[in-house]
Amino acid sequence: QVQLVQSGAEVKKPGSSVKVSCKASGVTFRSHVISWVRQAPGQGLEWMGGITPIFNSAAYAHKFQGRVTITADESTTTAHMEISSLRPEDTAIYYCAGRVSGYYHFDHWGQGTLVTVTS
Amino acid sequence: QSALTQPASVSGSPGQSITISCTGTSNDVGNYNLVSWYQQFPGKAPNLLISGDTERPSDISNRFSGSKSGYTASLTISGLQADDEADYYCCSYAGNSAYVFGSGTKVTVL
Repeated sequence: QVQLVQSGAEVKKPGSSVKVSCKASGVTFRSHVISWVRQAPGQGLEWMGGITPIFNSAAYAHKFQGRVTITADESTTTAHMEISSLRPEDTAIYYCAGRVSGYYHFDHWGQGTLVTVTS
Repeated sequence: QSALTQPASVSGSPGQSITISCTGTSNDVGNYNLVSWYQQFPGKAPNLLISGDTERPSDISNRFSGSKSGYTASLTISGLQADDEADYYCCSYAGNSAYVFGSGTKVTVL
């Protein structure tokens, strides 16, 4: 059974960074593409970027290029998403979402991680 | 990349059918047969309903169906039930490993 388990909630100050993790089990990690999707309070879903572990290659939405870094560690079957220069408007639930390489829909989702940015 | 356009809300009575539209551009919905739909309940992660414009996973009720014409994809829920009350999002592949989600639609069962 596929499971994506994310790290716990974070409270950060503006200008700092946060790193959220997503541990995958029950999948062939190398061929499972992990994306990150965020949802601000009361708002819709927003795709941020994704990584294909087999290629260790990440793609980002234009809005997040330069401020978001997505990595994957095959040894621990864990993907990470780091956001730098945090702003209050980055307060959101961050989800990891998995898809099988070669398919273009998100089969599995993590439980979400709430990141709160406040001074 | 701008969000795909969905109606903010759609409502219907139990047993009725409702349709949620999702309008994109030639860069996303109109260029790929890769629209997916997700159902999200409050406080929960999204759940896949439809992939590849029209494909339904085996564990999803056949009351949910997807279609597409040009730049607009649609999700139809037939035989509307009280527990269909949720938020619904479309999502399209947009090339170069990128994706774009719709603005989301709140479905209310009257």
